[in-house]
Amino acid sequence: NAGVTQTPKFQVLKTGQSMTLQCAQDMNHEYMSWYRQDPGMGLRLIHYSVGAGITDQGEVPNGYNVSRSTTEDFPLRLLSAAPSQTSVYFCASSYGLPGVNTEAFFGQGTRLTVV
Amino acid sequence: GQQVMQIPQYQHVQEGEDFTTYCNSSTTLSNIQWYKQRPGGHPVFLIQLVKSGEVKKQKRLTFQFGEAKKNSSLHITATQTTDVGTYFCAGPVSDDKIIFGKGTRLHILP
Repeated sequence: NAGVTQTPKFQVLKTGQSMTLQCAQDMNHEYMSWYRQDPGMGLRLIHYSVGAGITDQGEVPNGYNVSRSTTEDFPLRLLSAAPSQTSVYFCASSYGLPGVNTEAFFGQGTRLTVV
Repeated sequence: GQQVMQIPQYQHVQEGEDFTTYCNSSTTLSNIQWYKQRPGGHPVFLIQLVKSGEVKKQKRLTFQFGEAKKNSSLHITATQTTDVGTYFCAGPVSDDKIIFGKGTRLHILP
């Protein structure tokens, strides 16, 4: 059982480039989310999805798009990378809604540097 | 907006000493979760507390949920080098969103 798989693990982008961070889970979880982690800032929610075809914005959605065409996959797209998006990105999934008695499983993270 | 605050931000302890991190919410929480992130790793779920005044133990770790359900603590007895990492609390802002504290980074001095 792979759990939550993120690719790539590391990425360097030039300012203005676009890219997609991949996230897949094999636990049949309905809920998936993306966080960014910056030093001293904890984990901040970017976008989340409560099921296939449904997405919503978190705390810091600007500059990012998501889609959820299948239960398994939840890619995060950077439209035009900026140095402020240099961060570690984590994808997470949970069986049910995170605010209701359910734990989140995190992927290994993607370390993104925008130069 | 709702906030979940953790103190301290950093803690250095000698191996064998105890460690405590505190989590405080600006609003009442239906539950609170704790996660641990090892250096270079990803957050891993430790526990969830639901009931007012709840206390749960996992070996040397003791978790408490306050009576008013607005604060929580994690206490580690006799720290070991394997306890190194950042400990996060997280509480729901709604059914479909949780907010994380900024974490307490624990460093163990040998």
